[in-house]
Amino acid sequence: DAKTTQPNSMESNEEEPVHLPCNHSTISGTDYIHWYRQLPSQGPEYVIHGLTSNVNNRMASLAIAEDRKSSTLILHRATLRDAAVYYCILRDGRGYGTSGSRLTFGEGTQLTVNP
Amino acid sequence: EAGVTQFPSHSVIEKGQTVTLRCDPISGHDNLYWYRRVMGKEIKFLLHFVKESKQDESGMPNNRFLAERTGGTYSTLKVQPAELEDSGVYFCASSLTRGGAYNEQFFGPGTRLTVL
Repeated sequence: DAKTTQPNSMESNEEEPVHLPCNHSTISGTDYIHWYRQLPSQGPEYVIHGLTSNVNNRMASLAIAEDRKSSTLILHRATLRDAAVYYCILRDGRGYGTSGSRLTFGEGTQLTVNP
Repeated sequence: EAGVTQFPSHSVIEKGQTVTLRCDPISGHDNLYWYRRVMGKEIKFLLHFVKESKQDESGMPNNRFLAERTGGTYSTLKVQPAELEDSGVYFCASSLTRGGAYNEQFFGPGTRLTVL
């Protein structure tokens, strides 16, 4: 599985934007970029995913570099509830029979949101 | 709609005993996954069911672990006999049928297993 690199921790203030970086220099052409987060004492939760173009949903935005070797998860206005570990994960887009179905978690980024 | 549920939420057993964890996926989700986080480590994939069939069991650590999904609904993960290093949190996730890298996985709250 292609690897991702994220900072161990980041801090933000409530109601300010947060940019969480992820490097994936060995990404292949069929890899999708997924983000999950894990709130304290809960299971991981899907946030967003993309392939080449920037993506927006109700939770966040995903900005993907033109060469796809890095991406940034953007929380537009951080709230205390956004304090979590954020995981950047590459998934093979070739579907079943490959490793694409499973999620390969790294250490993620621990986001602290200050009131 | 109910999410993924797991039972029990916490289990404490002694080394050598048997424990069975249960996962009920979201209704209609053909894909079911087991993951675990052992102490100080990252969350690791264990196996993947598509309906009642094991699609990928490459993450199962050894033959003390047995997963089943009879009838393609709920799944059980049995650890027999349990060892100290099996302590950790076991997560179950489910997803819809469409292709591997596109589908969002919905996770349960996990079962915390403590082996003494």
